[in-house]
Amino acid sequence: EIVLTQSPVTLSLYPGERATLSCRASQGVNSYLAWYQQKPGQAPRLLIYDASNRATGVPARFSGSGYGTDFTLTISSLEPEDFAVYYCQQRAHWFTFGGGTKIEIK
Amino acid sequence: QVNLVESGGGVVQPGGSLRLSCAASGFAFSSFGMHWVRQPPGKGLQWVSFIQFDGANKYYTDSVKGRFTISKDNSRNTLDLQINSLRPDDTAIYYCAKDRGYSGYDGGYFDYWGQGVRVTVSS
Repeated sequence: EIVLTQSPVTLSLYPGERATLSCRASQGVNSYLAWYQQKPGQAPRLLIYDASNRATGVPARFSGSGYGTDFTLTISSLEPEDFAVYYCQQRAHWFTFGGGTKIEIK
Repeated sequence: QVNLVESGGGVVQPGGSLRLSCAASGFAFSSFGMHWVRQPPGKGLQWVSFIQFDGANKYYTDSVKGRFTISKDNSRNTLDLQINSLRPDDTAIYYCAKDRGYSGYDGGYFDYWGQGVRVTVSS
């Protein structure tokens, strides 16, 4: 099983700041990685697929990068609605998710 | 627009069974694979099962093999998950999710999700 490790577990930031989230895979997953956003009481929402492609309707402030084992989700300037939990997910070998990073308001 | 609505959750005793359903609309259901993903209370996401667009192949995470059965009715636009021999660690919100890949091409991501249905296994 490919294990995805996300860091940090919690990120405390102000609105307007830049957020940088990390996802590290236990073995290479090429570019087969996605990012999801989940708000309390809601289903996850696909943000990024294939490491760097924004899903339909996702604002340009969200960007993804990386290849192989190290990936990054960047939110260029946090909006109030961006405070949520973010998960990475790989599809290179079956499907696994990372443990999540919570972005909280500082 | 894409809409996925789950039903069938509830409280069940260990060893019991439930059948979860997901009604799909707003897209060509017969052309997309479908998944079930679960989330235990206060925890992260776990992929449970996948069925190909035409229902020909089905896949399960190891912990549910032999206990869960996924099925897809392309004539009724519904996805089901029969869950048997339930255990306390099956307690979770179960989401149905649409696979992003058209006719199996370039899939493996979950681009639309239902609101989820809660399954609680407790005596």
